[in-house]
Amino acid sequence: AAGVIQSPRHLIKEKRETATLKCYPIPRHDTVYWYQQGPGQDPQFLISFYEKMQSDKGSIPDRFSAQQFSDYHSELNMSSLELGDSALYFCASSLDYRRNTEAFFGQGTRLTVV
Amino acid sequence: DQQVKQNSPSLSVQEGRISILNCDYTNSMFDYFLWYKKYPAEGPTFLISISSIKDKNEDGRFTVFLNKSAKHLSLHIVPSQPGDSAVYFCAARPSGGSNYKLTFGKGTLLTVNP
Repeated sequence: AAGVIQSPRHLIKEKRETATLKCYPIPRHDTVYWYQQGPGQDPQFLISFYEKMQSDKGSIPDRFSAQQFSDYHSELNMSSLELGDSALYFCASSLDYRRNTEAFFGQGTRLTVV
Repeated sequence: DQQVKQNSPSLSVQEGRISILNCDYTNSMFDYFLWYKKYPAEGPTFLISISSIKDKNEDGRFTVFLNKSAKHLSLHIVPSQPGDSAVYFCAARPSGGSNYKLTFGKGTLLTVNP
């Protein structure tokens, strides 16, 4: 079965550079979530989209922005990168957030800022 | 303010025995709960969920119990297998409205010894 696809799997950037992370949800899933997991931390919610509209916002820095496109894929744009942005970034998708459905996660993108 | 708490950072169990992972929550608005399993450098994998209208949900070797009055849930794995060794995250969210992001606990590292 198709899963959530994230690209790239690994990314190395320098401080103050920009990074773009991509997420392709499971087909027919209309909701996408972004999470950040720092070393030894639990996943922290960043932002989510339902039907291409932002639906919820968590602890996402102003330097980050995201959007969901017409094909439901989502991109997380990160500017002015800082060393502390180094983390695993997970995308998850689900079908219709208004129902109690589980969210399925991608393999994650490991971002290293040097 | 940790709204989902997994107070045991680690648990070690013998193969064939029962593993019991515990989770407590403080937000009374949470009424949908999920367990995820996570291997290093991979995305969380959905295991099992439970809605607050139930007190038990079973799927193969995995059973989740919910005690709503105590704001406590537990995941039972029986019999435990070495392949179950991973970090287990408890997650919760409220249903309805626009605040449906998953809130994760810090995880419990389960080690199943052969």
